[in-house]
Amino acid sequence: QKEVEQDPGPLSVPEGAIVSLNCTYSNSAFQYFMWYRQYSRKGPELLMYTYSSGNKEDGRFTAQVDKSSKYISLFIRDSQPSDSATYLCAMSLIGGNFVFGPGTRLSVLP
Amino acid sequence: DAGVTQSPTHLIKTRGQQVTLRCSPKSGHDTVSWYQQALGQGPQFIFQYYEEEERQRGNFPDRFSGHQFPNYSSELNVNALLLGDSALYLCASSRDRRGETQYFGPGTRLLVL
Repeated sequence: QKEVEQDPGPLSVPEGAIVSLNCTYSNSAFQYFMWYRQYSRKGPELLMYTYSSGNKEDGRFTAQVDKSSKYISLFIRDSQPSDSATYLCAMSLIGGNFVFGPGTRLSVLP
Repeated sequence: DAGVTQSPTHLIKTRGQQVTLRCSPKSGHDTVSWYQQALGQGPQFIFQYYEEEERQRGNFPDRFSGHQFPNYSSELNVNALLLGDSALYLCASSRDRRGETQYFGPGTRLLVL
């Protein structure tokens, strides 16, 4: 079992749809949870950063962490064609290195 | 405020050669981590540098080595290149404080022929 698993996609949705992206993990010691967006041939860009369980909202993006289920989610409301990218989840221990999922490729169709 | 910068942007090498990649961290950051991202995969942690010392290392062979300079910039060196070393190499910087996250540079795309 991989340490972090992520729905592989690709995922195609119409413009304006609500997008749900998910990751599961096996290491219960992870404390920090991140979502990065990566456009083709670019470096990952930090979208959301949460500590421990709970929800965090930033504009059209909402991140959820359920540590009891070892499951994290990213919701994108009112999706736009500019949201088309690969979305990477990442997590870490306190002071530890980041462990990434393989990424989900999202296409938002006009 | 400049973000993380990396050079070069692209590089082509042949098997057996050596390569050096460079990274300048975001202003105010003192910790640099390096990742390898193969096509269609998530980034894999190579190592992290803090106070000019390698602090953590991922599952990469000794052909991968690095250095951090007093100004916090860093180099990644790869010796005896293999075809499988072809990837996007990402540098990420952060502050050495509990809970601080990492910010990535644009990466260096290495092709080994």
